[in-house]
Amino acid sequence: DSGVTQTPKHLITATGQRVTLRCSPRSGDLSVYWYQQSLDQGLQFLIQYYNGEERAKGNILERFSAQQFPDLHSELNLSSLELGDSALYFCASSPDSMVYGYTFGSGTRLTVV
Amino acid sequence: GENVEQHPSTLSVQEGDSAVIKCTYSDSASNYFPWYKQELGKRPQLIIDIRSNVGEKKDQRIAVTLNKTAKHFSLHITETQPEDSAVYFCASRGSARQLTFGSGTQLTVLP
Repeated sequence: DSGVTQTPKHLITATGQRVTLRCSPRSGDLSVYWYQQSLDQGLQFLIQYYNGEERAKGNILERFSAQQFPDLHSELNLSSLELGDSALYFCASSPDSMVYGYTFGSGTRLTVV
Repeated sequence: GENVEQHPSTLSVQEGDSAVIKCTYSDSASNYFPWYKQELGKRPQLIIDIRSNVGEKKDQRIAVTLNKTAKHFSLHITETQPEDSAVYFCASRGSARQLTFGSGTQLTVLP
């Protein structure tokens, strides 16, 4: 157990729907990062939050949004889902915004049918 | 932004041989270079990292070397074992606050 908790582990939904992925960072970590990993692809950075504030944005679609709550857990919202959104979504956390000590959660496998 | 290129994309070695994976980065401000191992269907796990003020770091059978002038760094695994079979990702932290990952190397250790 890495200490980073992601729920749900698996999600199957239809095109056009909206889902929410949840991430609880490791105790004491203030930074949360979201990554997308499509089949046989690398890890694409989506967005970073630090202590409740958005710090950096990557190639995140406008249909996707995220937030980090006062208790530091984060949610990634994916809307108007398309088949191409099917992927593993990983959350990672680190003690601060300097990314040292980056720890990944087990991921949420999203399948859009 | 930062661009990280990783080679080779696949690598097969005989058990007991060494494996080398190479990465190059583009941002001259990059100062942190971790390597992650990802087994099928599992999360990436940090196996070793190096900071820009160090040229080499070893941890048992794993070592990483960094050449800042050439902007490349490499992962070396000696005495490979079947359990080393996985996808390995290099990453770099440049001017941005997040890690940029390479495209991954599928390492297969043949018994």
